[in-house]
Amino acid sequence: QKEVEQDPGPLSVPEGAIVSLNCTYSNSAFQYFMWYRQYSRKGPELLMYTYSSGNKEDGRFTAQVDKSSKYISLFIRDSQPSDSATYLCAMRGYGQNFVFGPGTRLSVLP
Amino acid sequence: DAMVIQNPRYQVTQFGKPVTLSCSQTLNHNVMYWYQQKSSQAPKLLFHYYDKDFNNEADTPDNFQSRRPNTSFCFLDIRSPGLGDAAMYLCATSRDPADTQYFGPGTRLTVL
Repeated sequence: QKEVEQDPGPLSVPEGAIVSLNCTYSNSAFQYFMWYRQYSRKGPELLMYTYSSGNKEDGRFTAQVDKSSKYISLFIRDSQPSDSATYLCAMRGYGQNFVFGPGTRLSVLP
Repeated sequence: DAMVIQNPRYQVTQFGKPVTLSCSQTLNHNVMYWYQQKSSQAPKLLFHYYDKDFNNEADTPDNFQSRRPNTSFCFLDIRSPGLGDAAMYLCATSRDPADTQYFGPGTRLTVL
């Protein structure tokens, strides 16, 4: 079992839809969680950074962490074609390197 | 106002011909990372520098080396590129190992 898993997609949604992107993990020591957005042939861009369990909101983006289930989510409201990208989750425990998921490719259709 | 800069953006080399990729940062961050990312895969950490301290991942091949001559610059040297080394190479920085990482745009390496 890989340490961090994501549904690879591609996930296609119509413009304006609510998107849910998810990661599951196996290491109960993970407590720092990040979401990155990566456009084709570009470097990852940090979207959200959360610590431990709970929700964090930033504009149209909401990050949710459920440590009891070892499950994190990124919600995108009112999705736009410009949101079309690969979304990577990353996480780590105290004193550890970040581990990345393989990414979910999202297409938002106009 | 670019923060993490990578040069070149695209690099073509021949099998076995050494190549150097460059990363510079204007953030004055203490930590610089090199990742390898192949198509549809997660970025894979090769090594990182915390100030001048070099930290190599256990499974990074000896073919990959790195240099950090000062805070701003870090280089990735691939001594004898093989076809399997064709990938996107990402540089990232962070204030300290616990902090968020900021990525450059990447260098796409092609090996002929």
